[in-house]
Amino acid sequence: NAGVTQTPKFRVLKTGQSMTLLCAQDMNHEYMYWYRQDPGMGLRLIHYSVGEGTTAKGEVPDGYNVSRLKKQNFLLGLESAAPSQTSVYFCASSYDLASTGEQYFGPGTRLTVT
Amino acid sequence: AQSVTQLDSQVPVFEEAPVELRCNYSSSVSVYLFWYVQYPNQGLQLLLKYLSGSTLVKGINGFEAEFNKSQTSFHLRKPSVHISDTAEYFCAVRASGSRLTFGEGTQLTVNP
Repeated sequence: NAGVTQTPKFRVLKTGQSMTLLCAQDMNHEYMYWYRQDPGMGLRLIHYSVGEGTTAKGEVPDGYNVSRLKKQNFLLGLESAAPSQTSVYFCASSYDLASTGEQYFGPGTRLTVT
Repeated sequence: AQSVTQLDSQVPVFEEAPVELRCNYSSSVSVYLFWYVQYPNQGLQLLLKYLSGSTLVKGINGFEAEFNKSQTSFHLRKPSVHISDTAEYFCAVRASGSRLTFGEGTQLTVNP
């Protein structure tokens, strides 16, 4: 049982390049989330998904897109990277809102945009 | 709407000293409360949670937290810290039917 995994762990992009971050969970969770973590700002929700084929915007969705084609995977895309997107990105998953909502986190992806 | 405030961004303490990390929340409905810990270069791990029942909650690594409804607080405590407790700690709240909301984090640094 691997829990929540993220690939890649590190990435450096040039401004304007695109990339996709992959999150996978093997706990059969309905809900999945993408956060970014910046110094002094805690975790901010980018997008989330309440089930396969559905996605919704969080607090800071601009510049990002997501897809949930399979229940176990949640992809975060940057179409045209900007230096302001330099951050550590965390994926998380949880059962659903009818339960306690406890979230399980991946190890993070450290992205630098130059 | 719900919100979380962690009252201290940095807490330095000496090894074997007691520590308290403060967390206040606001919500108009009943809530679930969580503390997560993030060790350097790692993801977040659940430390403890309050769902209902006893207001004193015990977690991993000797930490405990007390839910105080009248003060809308959920402070985290440990009677004697170790160097290995150096990490960032996040308080989080979830009101019924809502998503989890995180505080901004408190960096605990334990010095020898």
